[in-house]
Amino acid sequence: AQTVTQSQPEMSVQEAETVTLSCTYDTSESDYYLFWYKQPPSRQMILVIRQEAYKQQNATENRFSVNFQKAAKSFSLKISDSQLGDAAMYFCAYRSAYYQLIWGAGTKLIIKP
Amino acid sequence: EAQVTQNPRYLITVTGKKLTVTCSQNMNHEYMSWYRQDPGLGLRQIYYSMNVEVTDKGDVPEGYKVSRKEKRNFPLILESPSPNQTSLYFCASREFWNTDTQYFGPGTRLTVL
Repeated sequence: AQTVTQSQPEMSVQEAETVTLSCTYDTSESDYYLFWYKQPPSRQMILVIRQEAYKQQNATENRFSVNFQKAAKSFSLKISDSQLGDAAMYFCAYRSAYYQLIWGAGTKLIIKP
Repeated sequence: EAQVTQNPRYLITVTGKKLTVTCSQNMNHEYMSWYRQDPGLGLRQIYYSMNVEVTDKGDVPEGYKVSRKEKRNFPLILESPSPNQTSLYFCASREFWNTDTQYFGPGTRLTVL
């Protein structure tokens, strides 16, 4: 069975600085997707970035980028130029071949002004 | 407006008193699911449904029931709640194949005394 581990329950960063959130996963599948979602206080889940396992190039969306290490089964999220609006819970998730999502425990990101 | 609604938003009850948390979506999504969110454990799937009259167990189904008689509704039933079911519950819906875009309800904070 697949598992997703986020080992950082909480992270804090100064506004405008860069922060990296960690995620590791375990799977025997060769083709899968990985996601980072943001859950602000409104509780709606917002897709931040998606990585397809067969693509070697790391995904990037504006200030958000990932470091995808397939062999190490690692999928970290880097947020550059942190903004107050980035404060939220961040979830790493794995999508299986059957379109089921397996979620990590989440990392609470605090932005210090 | 596309949305998932849940009711009630907050509920305090006592052990053994049956309760139902309702969930409704207005997007004609095939796929609906229930999660519970606990500190340090993240989102854990309770049950999911891929269409009307099709439901299946998630990771933590014990003590819960669901039904999917209509496409828009997916109620969560606790026949005999226990204190270990105190948690934050989310209903979610999406098109089955599209994990990029999913809609979560606002959450139901349940306390079982």
